[in-house]
Parts: sequence; structure tokens; C-alpha cells
Amino acid sequence: GAVVSQHPSWVICKSGTSVKIECRSLDFQATTMFWYRQFPKQSLMLMATSNEGSKATYEQGVEKDKFLINHASLTLSTLTVTSAHPEDSSFYICSARTRLAGTYNEQFFGPGTRLTVL
Amino acid sequence: QQPVQSPQAVILREGEDAVINCSSSKALYSVHWYRQKHGEAPVFLMILLKGGEQKGHDKISASFNEKKQQSSLYLTASQLSYSGTYFCGLAGGTSYGKLTFGQGTILTVHP
Repeated sequence: GAVVSQHPSWVICKSGTSVKIECRSLDFQATTMFWYRQFPKQSLMLMATSNEGSKATYEQGVEKDKFLINHASLTLSTLTVTSAHPEDSSFYICSARTRLAGTYNEQFFGPGTRLTVL
Repeated sequence: QQPVQSPQAVILREGEDAVINCSSSKALYSVHWYRQKHGEAPVFLMILLKGGEQKGHDKISASFNEKKQQSSLYLTASQLSYSGTYFCGLAGGTSYGKLTFGQGTILTVHP
């Protein structure tokens, strides 16, 4: 159990275009999903916390108008990178918080999406 | 505040042991350990919630000190599959279980 999927696995786009990344919890309901960004050889940096049915909470320094997050249901959250630029190229990973018995705030990660902006 | 992990990197031969430490200046709600292989997402290893807690699975175990400011991950009789970057993620008791990750420890196991 506790499987999280992301789509697409990788995407290459031109500068100025928008890209949407989906994160789904496949076998559990995720009231909270998290979006991270990871640059090569660096740690995971939390971008925002997404709660179903409410606005996302962004970390300091993350532009909410550039990184649009929607958490429409208990199994789906989307991240849209608007007007992408080369400096947005990164590995984007989502995680979902499960409330299965015995695992209060355990997070399970999706496989990640590699974004390359040309 | 980002937790501090040590060492930054460790190289082992199969069968050797390793310890990775994770510390914070503040008392924590919980500590989570993950392993990430190159190009892949982090994989959950274990979570510790209580001061003084120790737990393990197979030959990987972890401890959380009484003051809940430091955790250590123990890898015994290492296998090639243990290679990867290990991250500790700390929850400070804020809403929604937000985690702050350490900078990572690169573990390389050679035959």
C-alpha cells in the first residue's frame, strides 16, 4: 500500500511555456500533499504544502503565482510551473501524507518529474 | 531550520557497518529517515516519534535521543543495495507534518 504516482516522469519544454505535473495517491486518501524541488546533488527543498479543498501554503521564497498548486481531491494534487525558464529546470517530487493505522504523519514520495526548460 | 547530517559521505566495503547522525538545535516532534538512489525518489525507511526510541528492520536501525534533538541511523553488515543518499527529515510539530530535510549523507558500498 501507500503508493504515490507522478505524471509525467520527465518533460522538456521551451522557455515561456507552462507545464503541469500531477501527483496521485493510488491506494489511500491523502489529506495533505507536499511538493519538493531538488537540484543535482542537493537536498529536497519544500516548496509548498497542499491540503485538499484549500489554498496551498508556500514556503518563503517560492512564488505562488509561478508555481500554481491545486489539490482538487483526496487523491490528486497538481503543480503547474507557469512561464517556465531554464532556472526552473529541476527534479520535482511530491509526497503524500498518509493516515493509515500506525503511521501518523509518515510521508510517501512519488517517483519524481524531471523538468528541463530549454 | 535545516538539520545537520554527518558525515557528508562514507565509503564502505560489503559487510562493514556505518552510522549516520542527524541533529537539530530544537526539540523535535518526529524524525524520518529516507534513502534516495540517483535519479529516483526517496524511499521511506522509518519514523521515530518518542525520545529514547529505537527501532529497526533487517539490518538497518535508528535511535532518537531522550531530548529528541538527535537521531542516528545504523547500517550493519552493509550490502551493495544500501548505496545511496540518506536523508533525515525532521518534523517540528507544525501543522500538516511538514518535514525539513538535512543535506544528505552519500553512502557508497563497494564489493
